[in-house]
Amino acid sequence: SAVISQKPSRDICQRGTSLTIQCQVDSQVTMMFWYRQQPGQSLTLIATANQGSEATYESGFVIDKFPISRPNLTFSTLTVSNMSPEDSSIYLCSAGNVNEAFFGQGTRLTVV
Amino acid sequence: LAKTTQPISMDSYEGQEVNITCSHNNIATNDYITWYQQFPSQGPRFIIQGYKTKVTNEVASLFIPADRKSSTLSLPRVSLSDTAVYYCLVGGALNRDDKIIFGKGTRLHILP
Repeated sequence: SAVISQKPSRDICQRGTSLTIQCQVDSQVTMMFWYRQQPGQSLTLIATANQGSEATYESGFVIDKFPISRPNLTFSTLTVSNMSPEDSSIYLCSAGNVNEAFFGQGTRLTVV
Repeated sequence: LAKTTQPISMDSYEGQEVNITCSHNNIATNDYITWYQQFPSQGPRFIIQGYKTKVTNEVASLFIPADRKSSTLSLPRVSLSDTAVYYCLVGGALNRDDKIIFGKGTRLHILP
């Protein structure tokens, strides 16, 4: 199994600013993912964080808005850039694969 | 990735057995079926996985018919703490680097 530590756990940010969310895994993993989850909704995949190369973004998500870093096999960051109230959501980091994935507790972001 | 269909919500009572069925008509030969559970304010967590017939662990049982076009998650003698959202995922075990896509899930509400 893997333990995912995500921080911050929550933040309130001013519109137009940026927030970087960190995700630390306690073991080396091949696959890391970033999701967004609106209240009462399912998880939406933002991107796959690729170690040593650019992230692979899903439709509707772009690198300029959600830059992702993955410098090694245990760490990744997601930045939410130029925030607006529509970016208020829970952002979750995941590691593993479809057969068994592990998730962080999430970062609850409120943009005011 | 095979699309999954689950009931949006279910209610049950403490002590009852709960069965949640997931349809995945387009499941591929190498796909496994995996169920995740998500409590409020937490990331999803792995419950059980199977390929065919029946799988049982300390948390649940998973029943998969011969055609594998559906699966049923069975929770024995539920308690209030089983109130959560349950997600059925289908993915290829051979391609262990598949991205993980969540459907809408089933919101299970256990009543006293």
